[in-house]
Formats: sequence, structure tokens, C-alpha cells
Amino acid sequence: DAGVIQSPRHEVTEMGQEVTLRCKPISGHNSLFWYRQTMMRGLELLIYFNNNVPIDDSGMPEDRFSAKMPNASFSTLKIQPSEPRDSAVYFCASRPLERGSTDTQYFGPGTRLTVL
Amino acid sequence: QKEVEQNSGPLSVPEGAIASLNCTYSDRGSQSFFWYRQYSGKSPELIMSIYSNGDKEDGRFTAQLNKASQYVSLLIRDSQPSDSATYLCAVSGSARQLTFGSGTQLTVLP
Repeated sequence: DAGVIQSPRHEVTEMGQEVTLRCKPISGHNSLFWYRQTMMRGLELLIYFNNNVPIDDSGMPEDRFSAKMPNASFSTLKIQPSEPRDSAVYFCASRPLERGSTDTQYFGPGTRLTVL
Repeated sequence: QKEVEQNSGPLSVPEGAIASLNCTYSDRGSQSFFWYRQYSGKSPELIMSIYSNGDKEDGRFTAQLNKASQYVSLLIRDSQPSDSATYLCAVSGSARQLTFGSGTQLTVLP
């Protein structure tokens, strides 16, 4: 089975540009999470979805960040405009939501974002 | 106060020794506890989960949970250089989200 798929794996952009990160969760997993990881702040939860509905976006740093999940197999995280302090590795993770399932999350390979 | 605290390390142990990694958490309602391993430049990978007090063993890895003390640990026996990585403790609360600690960097010296 394919794991969580993220694209692109690396993104280098200039300050002010729009950045879109993409995620395909594991098939059958209906809970999806977006994280950001930096040396200073560690792994931070940005937002998560259950059944394509955003549940908690309190970790989204500011209005420049937005996330969507138009269907069960695709989610995007958009930064507009991007700033150098957004440079980080962004991970997407998924897990099943059904009662009785574990809370184990499975991570994608991440997108390393560099904003110049 | 951070919700999940880990010794940031770095922790160095010689090959063949036991590595001990510790984690404390603040939410008494937490139900599920996880250890993830993260190699440099890679994504976190689950290595152990534990849900009830006591020990859980899987190969060279043993997770220990003490809910009264709000303490989780991971022991790695017969440490190998390939165990060198950052180990992340994660705790699941009532909302079934995971809260991660900042990680402990482990180096196993050949």
C-alpha cells in the first residue's frame, strides 16, 4: 500500500510568492493533519481535518496560511504571501477515524520549503 | 509549561549499551502514548505505542508507562549505530490529536 504522498518534496521560492503544498492521505484514512517542523519550535500541528472538514486550525500561524481538503484523497496547504520565516519542513499525516481505531498517525515524506 | 516534555539531549551511548529516553506529560486524561523515530532529513516513523501502565516490549525496544507519575520512557537495549536518530514522544488526548515533545537526539557510538 502506498503511504502518505506529498508534493513537492522540495520547494525554493522568493519572499512574496504563493506556495502550495499537496498531500494525498493513505486510502481509507479519513483524518488528515498538517504539521510544520523547525529546529526552534519542533513539530507543530497547524490544522487537521476529519472527513474533509477542518476541525481545529488554531495552529495556523496567521491569515497567510490556508488549508483545504476538497475530497478524501487530497489536501492542500497554501501560503500567500510567503516569508523567509515560513522556511521549514511541512509534514502531512493521516490516520483512520473509526471508533476503535488507534490514534497512530502515519507521516508523509515532507516538503522542505525554503523562502529566500 | 509544555504539554509534553523530553530531555533534549543530545544523548550519547556506546554501541551495545542501553539507551534510556524519558518523557513527561501534563494532561492526566491522556490515553495513548507513542514513540516515533526520526532520522535526519526523514519523516517521523512509529516504533512503539503503549496504552496501559507497565512495560511493553518489541524486540530491542521497551516502552514503559506510569500514568500516576505521568511518565513514559523508551529503553533501547543493545544499542546500534543505526539507532542514532531523534526520538519523539507523542501523547494523545481526548480529541485524539497527538501532541509531540521536542525530541531527544540519540547518538550511538561505534
